[in-house]
Amino acid sequence: EDKVVQSPLSLVVHEGDTVTLNCSYEVTNFRSLLWYKQEKKAPTFLFMLTSSGIEKKSGRLSSILDKKELFSILNITATQTGDSAVYLCAVEGYNQGGKLIFGQGTELSVKP
Amino acid sequence: ETGVTQTPRHLVMGMTNKKSLKCEQHLGHNAMYWYKQSAKKPLELMFVYNFKEQTENNSVPSRFSPECPNSSHLFLHLHTLQPEDSALYLCASSPSGTTYNEQFFGPGTRLTVL
Repeated sequence: EDKVVQSPLSLVVHEGDTVTLNCSYEVTNFRSLLWYKQEKKAPTFLFMLTSSGIEKKSGRLSSILDKKELFSILNITATQTGDSAVYLCAVEGYNQGGKLIFGQGTELSVKP
Repeated sequence: ETGVTQTPRHLVMGMTNKKSLKCEQHLGHNAMYWYKQSAKKPLELMFVYNFKEQTENNSVPSRFSPECPNSSHLFLHLHTLQPEDSALYLCASSPSGTTYNEQFFGPGTRLTVL
């Protein structure tokens, strides 16, 4: 059965800290792994990682994909209070009609 | 703003009511999705529409009935719901249901069933 497990489930840090969020997965015919940030309502897209792009970076956020060990990490450096959110990891397999399998999310709280 | 809008944003209904959720995307996408998000649970895919055709029904009870009249609009018709159906219902769209699948989400409808 396809599944995604994220850890930790929640995390509290102080501004300026660096955090690492984990996502491990099992999916048939892996195609891509996606990271989303969910603040109040709508998840917003952060990164997509595929076989041809296993490392992505945008500002203070970066992510890598380890296809051999079936996991990904999302790294946030110099955290700010605006980084407080739930971070969702999802995977997609080939020939699955656009179906994303989501993890339960990591709730990050950044204190001033 | 992600280009995906949902109405209403909040809905309270009794178990005997009939209501509908609406989703509209302004991104020119061809695939649309309904998800359910309950507290402390992963997002659960409910339905997928690709070019107006339903391609996925993730074992959703028949009290939830989707409708996709065109690629820009998606509805979720609700009737005789149960209190455990209370959740955040999210709509999403993507360019296609068959290629690399960056999905854009709407703000959701917070549904409470009394």
